[in-house]
Amino acid sequence: AQTVTQSQPEMSVQEAETVTLSCTYDTSESDYYLFWYKQPPSRQMILVIRQEAYKQQNATENRFSVNFQKAAKSFSLKISDSQLGDAAMYFCAYRRSTSGTYKYIFGTGTRLKVLA
Amino acid sequence: DSGVTQTPKHLITATGQRVTLRCSPRSGDLSVYWYQQSLDQGLQFLIQYYNGEERAKGNILERFSAQQFPDLHSELNLSSLELGDSALYFCASSSGVANQPQHFGDGTRLSIL
Repeated sequence: AQTVTQSQPEMSVQEAETVTLSCTYDTSESDYYLFWYKQPPSRQMILVIRQEAYKQQNATENRFSVNFQKAAKSFSLKISDSQLGDAAMYFCAYRRSTSGTYKYIFGTGTRLKVLA
Repeated sequence: DSGVTQTPKHLITATGQRVTLRCSPRSGDLSVYWYQQSLDQGLQFLIQYYNGEERAKGNILERFSAQQFPDLHSELNLSSLELGDSALYFCASSSGVANQPQHFGDGTRLSIL
């Protein structure tokens, strides 16, 4: 069975600095997707970034980028120029690619605090 | 706005009762997922429907059931409620196409007194 591990329950970063959140996963599949979701205090779940396993190039969305290491089964999120609005819980998620059945497995989350 | 609508936003009820949570997916999305998030916990996958059919099942209790209707909206039924069922219940939808992510509704906060 697939598992997703976020080993950092909480992280802090100074405003305007860079922070990296870690995520590792375990799977025997070769084709899958990985996601980072953000959950601010409002409790909404917001998609931050996604990565297709078959793509070697790391995904980037503005200040958010990932370091995808397929062989190591690692998928870290880098937030550059951190802003106060980035403070939230961040969840890493894995999804298999079997057509029509997209069971998502979420990590336990990392709470990010941004210090002014 | 994700386009996924969940009602009600808040629900307060007593132990032993039954409630129904409703989800309308984004326009065009065929797949609906239900998740449970207890206080300060991660998301627990409950169940997935695709175009009216159950496709995947997670840690869903026997007291819970769900269905997806022909118009693609979905309902999650929770019965014989216990204090431990207090949680935020999320619905998410996706198109069912492999490279498309799921989008979440704002959740229904269920409080059991």
